[in-house]
Parts: sequence; C-alpha cells; structure tokens
Amino acid sequence: GAGVSQSPSNKVTEKGKDVELRCDPISGHTALYWYRQSLGQGLEFLIYFQGNSAPDKSGLPSDRFSAERTGGSVSTLTIQRTQQEDSAVYFCASVPGQTYEQYFGPGTRLTVT
Amino acid sequence: AQTVTQSQPEMSVQEAETVTLSCTYDTSENNYYLFWYKQPPSRQMILVIRQEAYKQQNATENRFSVNFQKAAKSFSLKISDSQLGDTAMYFCAFKGGSSNTGKLIFGQGTTLQVKP
Repeated sequence: GAGVSQSPSNKVTEKGKDVELRCDPISGHTALYWYRQSLGQGLEFLIYFQGNSAPDKSGLPSDRFSAERTGGSVSTLTIQRTQQEDSAVYFCASVPGQTYEQYFGPGTRLTVT
Repeated sequence: AQTVTQSQPEMSVQEAETVTLSCTYDTSENNYYLFWYKQPPSRQMILVIRQEAYKQQNATENRFSVNFQKAAKSFSLKISDSQLGDTAMYFCAFKGGSSNTGKLIFGQGTTLQVKP
C-alpha cells in the first residue's frame, strides 16, 4: 500500500516568507509526528497529533511554527517569517493505533536564502 | 531528560567484513524501546531493528544484530557481511515506555562507508 507522502520534496524560500509543508499519512494511522533534521544532525521532535486529542506542541522551537491536522488525516506544518536557521529537512511520520513503529515520509528539504 | 549519544561520527568497513556502531543513552525509566534507523543518501528513514527493554534477548534481523546492555545503557548495532548498500547514516533512537507522545529521541548519527 501507499506509504507516508510529503510535499513539496524541496522548497527554497526567501527569508521572511511563510511556507507550508504537507504530510499525507498512511490511511488509518491515528498518530502523526513532525520532526526536523538540521544538517548533519539527528531528527528533533516538533509536534505530535493523536486522534482528536490536543496536539503536543512541546517541540516547536518558536511561535513562528504551527501545525494542524485536518479530519484526522492530512497535516500541514507552517513556518511564518522564515529564518535561515529554519533550513533543514522536515519529516513526517505516522503510526498505527496500537503499535510503536513510526513510518517516515521522504521529508521536505527547506532552504531559506 | 532522556538523551542518546553516538560517539562515532564516521566509520568505514571493507565489504564482507563486520562493523559495530555504538550508542549509549540516559534514562530513569525501566521500560522503553530502542531503535536503529538507516538513512541512505535518498534521506528516507528506514527502520533496521528494534529492541524492547524488558526483553533480555538481543534482537536480530538477518545481518543486523544488537548488543543491548541495559545496566550499562548501551545499545550497539552489529552489521555482519557488510554490503555496499549498507553505506548510509545510522541513527540510534529511544522511546520512553511512559511517554504520552511516543516521540523518538535520536542520537547525532554515525556515517558508515562500506568500501569495495
């Protein structure tokens, strides 16, 4: 079946612009995560959605970052007034309800110039 | 707070040889999960192997096995009969058993080069 998909694959934007990154999780997966990978680093947790519960936003680095998940499926991560330090690969992962294996999407590489 | 440390930024191995990647972690929890992920140049995150802390037996997946030392908080990955396709960045990751979010905490990664 289809895996987790993310769009766009790559995004170049100018400093100060807003960007939206999209994640389509595996159908039926109830949990969804966003992570960020800066150059040469490990992945860093950003935000977590589980069903209809309030999201865990504890990993968001600033109030310029926000995310939503519509209808328990598609999620968008929005970065307002982008800064150069926001340049990274942003990964989405989804999880079936009762297991703990996270299925990762291919990531979106964001470059802020 | 839990932390994961991979002390080897880069490693290399000859094709068909065996290599071990190191990982240590810090936690006060007794029940948790550990993972090794592979990230090839395509940047896709691929789960290699996982270990539940309550299991004493070390996990094995074909040529990949782990040495899980709970008391020492060590979780190393052994790759046997290395293949050129094993060239990638490898990440060790921790998931707390009592975590409400189930988020993964990653180490900094080890870049593995398999040489012909």
